[in-house]
Order: sequence, then C-alpha cells, then structure tokens
Amino acid sequence: ETGVTQSPTHLIKTRGQQVTLRCSSQSGHNTVSWYQQALGQGPQFIFQYYREEENGRGNFPPRFSGLQFPNYSSELNVNALELDDSALYLCASSSGPSTGISEKLFFGSGTQLSVL
Amino acid sequence: AQSVTQLGSHVSVSEGALVLLRCNYSSSVPPYLFWYVQYPNQGLQLLLKYTSAATLVKGINGFEAEFKKSETSFHLTKPSAHMSDAAEYFCAVRPMSGSARQLTFGSGTQLTVLP
Repeated sequence: ETGVTQSPTHLIKTRGQQVTLRCSSQSGHNTVSWYQQALGQGPQFIFQYYREEENGRGNFPPRFSGLQFPNYSSELNVNALELDDSALYLCASSSGPSTGISEKLFFGSGTQLSVL
Repeated sequence: AQSVTQLGSHVSVSEGALVLLRCNYSSSVPPYLFWYVQYPNQGLQLLLKYTSAATLVKGINGFEAEFKKSETSFHLTKPSAHMSDAAEYFCAVRPMSGSARQLTFGSGTQLTVLP
C-alpha cells in the first residue's frame, strides 16, 4: 500500500470526449507525476507538477493537461480523446528536492481508460 | 535521448531456479538506473536503483542487479525464484542531472514462475 489513490479505477469513453482522472498523493508529498502505460508497453512520462506548477513535460500533445491543488491532489485531463489514448494512467507522488536521487516515487494502482 | 532495452518480453523459470532479466541502456554518460515490479492491478514498486555508489545493488525480495558500464547493462537477478515473483518487471533510466521523476522505462519483461 503506497498511500497514493487514483479514481476511477476503470473508465470507458468514446472518441472525441473529454476525461478527467484524479490522484490523491501520499500525505506530505508535494510533487506528482503522471505516466501513460499502453498495453504491453512500459510507462511513458506525461508531465509532473511541483507545488501546483508544471515543471516537466514529456512528448505528449497539449490536449493532455493537468492540475495540482493546494492539498497536492492532482488531475489529468485529456481532451478530444483518440483510440490510442486507451491505456493505464499512473500517477506517482514524491517529496524532496526535484533532482534528489534519494527521493522515492510512490505509484498508485492506476486508472484503466478505454476509448471506443 | 536515453533509452532502455529489455531483452525478452516473456521469461519463464521453474520455482527455485535462477532468475535473470536483461536490461541494456543507451546513454552517452552513465545514468541512474532502476528496476520496478508491477503485480496485476497494482502500480509500480521500486525493487532497486543504481546511483553510482556501488556497481552491485541489492534490492528487496532477494533481487540484485549489477551495473556494467563496458556492456551498458543492468541485469536483474535472483538466485532462487519463488512463485510470488511472478509479475512484470520494468527497467528504467534517468539522467543524473534530470528531474527525479522523469523516468524512461523499458517495455517490460513478464516473469512466469513454474511449479
């Protein structure tokens, strides 16, 4: 049990719709990152938030956006859903310096998104 | 750009046998390296990480990995497989000067342990 919770666990949407996924970080963690894991692939970094500001982004289009709230919970929003957006979306929380190697990521169990 | 390659998308071993999961990285300078495990319907759990302090890294659940710069490898081993080791394993890399969270993962190796 990592203390990182994601909701919902499963979601079905149709192409063109918008979706919001939620993540509650472990207590005391001020950083959250989001990953997309397509079937049979490793997770791919989407972006990260530190103290409510985006401070790193992977190779994902602008229709992937996020928010981090003062209580350090987070949302991932995806607009204009495409079939290829079907994947497991993982969030990970952490605390400490942004470049600290001693820092540990705590992953949630993910939200399985299916786009039909 | 850094990348990792995991050789073998599926590996099967008998219970009690040696586990060897292969990972090679591509980087102009030695990066930080990680192994994560993912059980069904769960998130990723860190097994171990290489941070340049020692080339042989011991992790949880009896796993260890050896960093070999000359081979650009970071293979994961366990002397004796247990049924509970059945899971998917991911090798990951990040540059020493980059963000702590911007990991690049390999495509994973599914480990099956046969009775």
